[in-house]
Amino acid sequence: AQSVAQPEDQVNVAEGNPLTVKCTYSVSGNPYLFWYVQYPNRGLQFLLKYITGDNLVKGSYGFEAEFNKSQTSFHLKKPSALVSDSALYFCAVRDLNTGGFKTIFGAGTRLFVKA
Amino acid sequence: DAGVIQSPRHEVTEMGQEVTLRCKPISGHNSLFWYRQTMMRGLELLIYFNNNVPIDDSGMPEDRFSAKMPNASFSTLKIQPSEPRDSAVYFCASTVGGANTGELFFGEGSRLTVL
Repeated sequence: AQSVAQPEDQVNVAEGNPLTVKCTYSVSGNPYLFWYVQYPNRGLQFLLKYITGDNLVKGSYGFEAEFNKSQTSFHLKKPSALVSDSALYFCAVRDLNTGGFKTIFGAGTRLFVKA
Repeated sequence: DAGVIQSPRHEVTEMGQEVTLRCKPISGHNSLFWYRQTMMRGLELLIYFNNNVPIDDSGMPEDRFSAKMPNASFSTLKIQPSEPRDSAVYFCASTVGGANTGELFFGEGSRLTVL
């Protein structure tokens, strides 16, 4: 079965420093991978996705993610964190074995950016 | 674009009462998903529809839960009778079906409290 793991419940970083939020996946076949962000009392918002092609994917708000097939990872990164980046981040995988529409989310990682 | 619209945003009810949550997907999106979010269990996929047809309802917790999509612009999630353990935030999301590479667009959620 398709699954994603986010090994860190929380990540703390100082404003201006680079940030990384980790995600590993387990899929059969080619993975379709996504990152979403959730601000308090809001729905999830799409940040970026990897479907095929370049392993470095750029997304919204200066975020990027690196797909690494050998390590089955899809870590979210940003060169310089902002206090406003503080939120809950979800990695997700599209389950292609069920017609391709089912999206499975990780447990989420809370990011705190300190001023 | 109006985005995915959910109602009500907040619902407080007593155990045993019927609860109906509503969702209007983005126009042109033909795949619709219902998720439930709790601190303990994270984001759980309850059911999803493609072209108004339920494709996978394996995530529906029990027979007290039912979902319908009578047309392309409206879906409901009903809980009857409600129980305190149903307290959660329920999200509706939509995407363009046919291509399984599309990201999900989430509504703002319906926060349900069952007393």
